[in-house]
Order: sequence, then C-alpha cells, then structure tokens
Amino acid sequence: SYVLTQPPSVSVAPGKTARITCGGNNIGSKSVHWYQQKPGQAPVLVIYYDSDRPSGIPERFSGSNSGNTATLTISRVEAGDEADYYCQVWDSSSDQGVFGGGTKLTVL
Amino acid sequence: QVQLVESGGGLVKPGGSLRLSCAASGFTFSDYYMSWIRQAPGKGLEWVSYISSSSSYTNYADSVKGRFTISRDNAKNSLYLQMNSLRAEDTAVYYCARGIAAADHFDYWGQGTLVTVSS
Repeated sequence: SYVLTQPPSVSVAPGKTARITCGGNNIGSKSVHWYQQKPGQAPVLVIYYDSDRPSGIPERFSGSNSGNTATLTISRVEAGDEADYYCQVWDSSSDQGVFGGGTKLTVL
Repeated sequence: QVQLVESGGGLVKPGGSLRLSCAASGFTFSDYYMSWIRQAPGKGLEWVSYISSSSSYTNYADSVKGRFTISRDNAKNSLYLQMNSLRAEDTAVYYCARGIAAADHFDYWGQGTLVTVSS
C-alpha cells in the first residue's frame, strides 16, 4: 500500500514561513490534498490538486508537488495557523484513500 | 450551506455492532461520492470507505474490509456505515466527508461521532 511520510512537528515564529513536507514514492505523479485540523474540530481542506485553494482559505497557504515530495507552505504565519496538518492522496492501485501521519505546526 | 451531521456513535462491546448515519443538507447529495474517515484518540486520520453517487462502487480500507458496510439512501440524503465484529482498535471519531469522485479530495466534513469499543 502507498505510504505518505510527514514530519511529526514543525515550529515557526510568527510572520515567518512554514513548510510542511509530505513524502511518497513518485508523489509528483499524484494529486495531493492538504487538511488543517485544530483541536476538537473536524479537518478543513486548505489545498487541493497540489496547489489550488478553496474559497475562504487565505492566499498565505500554497502548495507544490514534484518528484517524491509535496510541500504545504504557509507564509506570514499567524498564531491562528497552529494546528495539525495532513496530506492526502488517492492510491489508484488499491482504490483507497491515504493520509499522511500528520504534522503539528507550532507557532513560537 | 453544506452540512454533514453524523450520529449513531456510542459504547459497544468487542464483537458487537453499530450503525452510523450521516445526514446531508445544502447540496445535491445524489451528485457526490461520500466517504467515512476515522481518527483514533490522539492519532491521525485514516480513510475507511467510499461509496459512489449511485452506490455502484464501494471500497474499504484493509483494516475494515469484510466487517464494515457502507451504504446510502439518496432519497433521504443519508449515508450509513454498518460496523460489525467491532474491535478495540476501531475506537475512533468517525467523520463523513464529501468527495467529488473516488480518487479525489474531501471538501466538506461532518463534526464526527465517537465510537468506543470496550468491555
């Protein structure tokens, strides 16, 4: 089965740029989606199809995907961005959804 | 506005059964694939199952295959998950989520319902 690998934690100072990676075998050939989950809340889609933003998601959130790594970039980080972030792809060989293990973003 | 409201969670003994429901509103339910996704306490997200808009296609995570059954009633705008032979490791918050197609993202999620499997 397809495996997605995320760093358990990323820390960043307010106003700086956070980059959260998602590794997978030839992930660049897949569409990657990203979700934000704050404590006690349901996940919220923040990036889909590698780099598209749903309406209502700030432009500070962007995504890229190439080779074996997809990246969620959050510019001008705010305290309110502190959350868990999950990447997700669809494994077409098994026809199953796959999530990364999640990354806890801490705003210092 | 899109709303997904799960219900049916609770405490069940190992080996028992439970049926979860998800009531959808604010969109044309019959146009969308739907999925169940779960999250064990303190853990990450795990995709569980999907069903196509007309119920023609379904699939399951290996961890639940043969024990869980997904279904939907488009006339009632409702999604279901029948869970049998429950195990302690099935303990989780279960979310229903909307998808455009099977191989796609989940653009709206419910608030989840907690299932606890314990003796």
